[in-house]
Amino acid sequence: DVKVTQSSRYLVKRTGEKVFLECVQDMDHENMFWYRQDPGLGLRLIYFSYDVKMKEKGDIPEGYSVSREKKERFSLILESASTNQTSMYLCASSLSSGRVGNEQYFGPGTRLTVT
Amino acid sequence: GDSVTQMEGPVTLSEEAFLTINCTYTATGYPSLFWYVQYPGEGLQLLLKATKADDKGSNKGFEATYRKETTSFHLEKGSVQVSDSAVYFCALSDLWSNTGKLIFGQGTTLQVKP
Repeated sequence: DVKVTQSSRYLVKRTGEKVFLECVQDMDHENMFWYRQDPGLGLRLIYFSYDVKMKEKGDIPEGYSVSREKKERFSLILESASTNQTSMYLCASSLSSGRVGNEQYFGPGTRLTVT
Repeated sequence: GDSVTQMEGPVTLSEEAFLTINCTYTATGYPSLFWYVQYPGEGLQLLLKATKADDKGSNKGFEATYRKETTSFHLEKGSVQVSDSAVYFCALSDLWSNTGKLIFGQGTTLQVKP
């Protein structure tokens, strides 16, 4: 089975701190994604990566950056955390694009609170 | 652009009731369609999928049929259980996209009462 793990289930940080959220997948997937999930807003794509060192902005990249130095690991970075970044963060991975039925596999999520 | 519209929730049912959660989509190309489920405090899990018109996806008693003529992918289950209480997301991907992105609906909360 595909396994996507996230470094923390719950995280509490202070405003202005630099925050790292880590995601690791064990199935050699090319694509990796970071979403945030907020009540009433569904899932919103922050960034995604289709190869090592490659990244593209999603729908809400402002205030975030990402890093993908190894194929299995995709990090989300909040350079200076703010209270409006309090949210559930979900990581996902999938096989390379262009495949029929190319589903994404999700990690358990990190609930981040910024105070 | 491509989009997915789900019925608003919450949907509240009694145990053993019939479930339908509506999902319609707008897309260019030939998307694959998915239903994901999110149990409280967890990430999303793939429930079922369909990759071409008239395909029926099924899993754990849930079914959905890819209807190209009505651009729909409604989720159904004949007899729900309390353990089916969760948030359900409909999603689509574009076979011809080179990004692997999925477009999600807003999610529908299902509450099943004993």
